[in-house]
Amino acid sequence: ETGVTQTPRHLVMGMTNKKSLKCEQHLGHNAMYWYKQSAKKPLELMFVYSLEERVENNSVPSRFSPECPNSSHLFLHLHTLQPEDSALYLCASSQDVQGRTEAFFGQGTRLTVV
Amino acid sequence: AQTVTQSQPEMSVQEAETVTLSCTYDTSESDYYLFWYKQPPSRQMILVIRQEAYKQQNATENRFSVNFQKAAKSFSLKISDSQLGDAAMYFCAYRGVTGSYQLTFGKGTKLSVIP
Repeated sequence: ETGVTQTPRHLVMGMTNKKSLKCEQHLGHNAMYWYKQSAKKPLELMFVYSLEERVENNSVPSRFSPECPNSSHLFLHLHTLQPEDSALYLCASSQDVQGRTEAFFGQGTRLTVV
Repeated sequence: AQTVTQSQPEMSVQEAETVTLSCTYDTSESDYYLFWYKQPPSRQMILVIRQEAYKQQNATENRFSVNFQKAAKSFSLKISDSQLGDAAMYFCAYRGVTGSYQLTFGKGTKLSVIP
């Protein structure tokens, strides 16, 4: 247990559905991240939040919409996804966005789009 | 842009033996941080070891050590006295001190430990 909890662990959704992924950290960190992990590919950073403000958005399609209501919670709202969006979505947090700080990861949500 | 390359998609090691996982990276920065993360079947990424580029001394954490060659942009991970619990995906990651906030990951190396 690293203090970063993601729910749900597994999610199957149709292309017309709307769903949300939730991430919660109990570590008092100020930065939170969403990563996408696909088979045979490196982890791809999607969004970075620092002190509840989005500081990085890596050209992610608008069908993915992040929300950070406070420094402990991060959501990823999903709508009209495509089958190629099926992947493991990892949330992480760190004390801040500085280089040396370690990122702590959740166990991920395995998303399948049908 | 920074890139991280792990040239070994899969490796195996006999229990109690030593194995080295390779990682190279490309960057124009002089100061940065390098990490090795482990992802077991439970999927939770766990930090194994961290190296600061301005430190010449190689980082060590118990059975895990790195061989950091800054000029060659190489950052290999050595696991000594391998244990069954070491079986996992291992990811090398880079993080700069300016510009982007992201960790840039390699594609990973799947390590199997043979009893």
